[in-house]
Amino acid sequence: EAGVAQSPRYKIIEKRQSVAFWCNPISGHATLYWYQQILGQGPKLLIQFQNNGVVDDSQLPKDRFSAERLKGVDSTLKIQPAKLEDSAVYLCASAWRGSEQFFGPGTRLTVL
Amino acid sequence: DQQVKQNSPSLSVQEGRISILNCDYTNSMFDYFLWYKKYPAEGPTFLISISSIKDKNEDGRFTVFLNKSAKHLSLHIVPSQPGDSAVYFCAASANADGLTFGKGTHLIIQP
Repeated sequence: EAGVAQSPRYKIIEKRQSVAFWCNPISGHATLYWYQQILGQGPKLLIQFQNNGVVDDSQLPKDRFSAERLKGVDSTLKIQPAKLEDSAVYLCASAWRGSEQFFGPGTRLTVL
Repeated sequence: DQQVKQNSPSLSVQEGRISILNCDYTNSMFDYFLWYKKYPAEGPTFLISISSIKDKNEDGRFTVFLNKSAKHLSLHIVPSQPGDSAVYFCAASANADGLTFGKGTHLIIQP
């Protein structure tokens, strides 16, 4: 069974630029999550999708971050414009019916 | 406020001995607890979980204990092996929501 796929693995941008990350969950997993992990911290939930609907986006900085999962499968997370403090690893995870979440390898973002 | 706390940033254990990683939580609504293992440049890997209706769950060398009255859980690894060296995250959820993670404990297994 293929795992959660994410791309790109690494991205370096300058502040005020835009960036997008892509995630393809495990086949059949209806629930998809995006997490932000800052160095030295645990992952922090940004947004949770159930199929193509948003379940929880209370911790998503909506003035600059957006996410979509249009067909209920893959998802994109966008930052526009990026700030220095957005430097982090962005993790995508998927789950089947609220069971344990499976994580992708993450995208390491560096904002200069 | 940190709802899931791992107070030991690092832990060093001799190979073959028991490793005990601890985690405390403050949110009484949490009903599902998990441990993840993370190697550098990889995403967290699910290790073991426990529902709030249980106080122990075992899977091979890994056992998780839950003490609801103390809002405390622990992960026991017996015996510890060199491949267990990694960062371990404690995580919790309420009603199948997204996970709340601790800051992690870096476990180092000494030969």
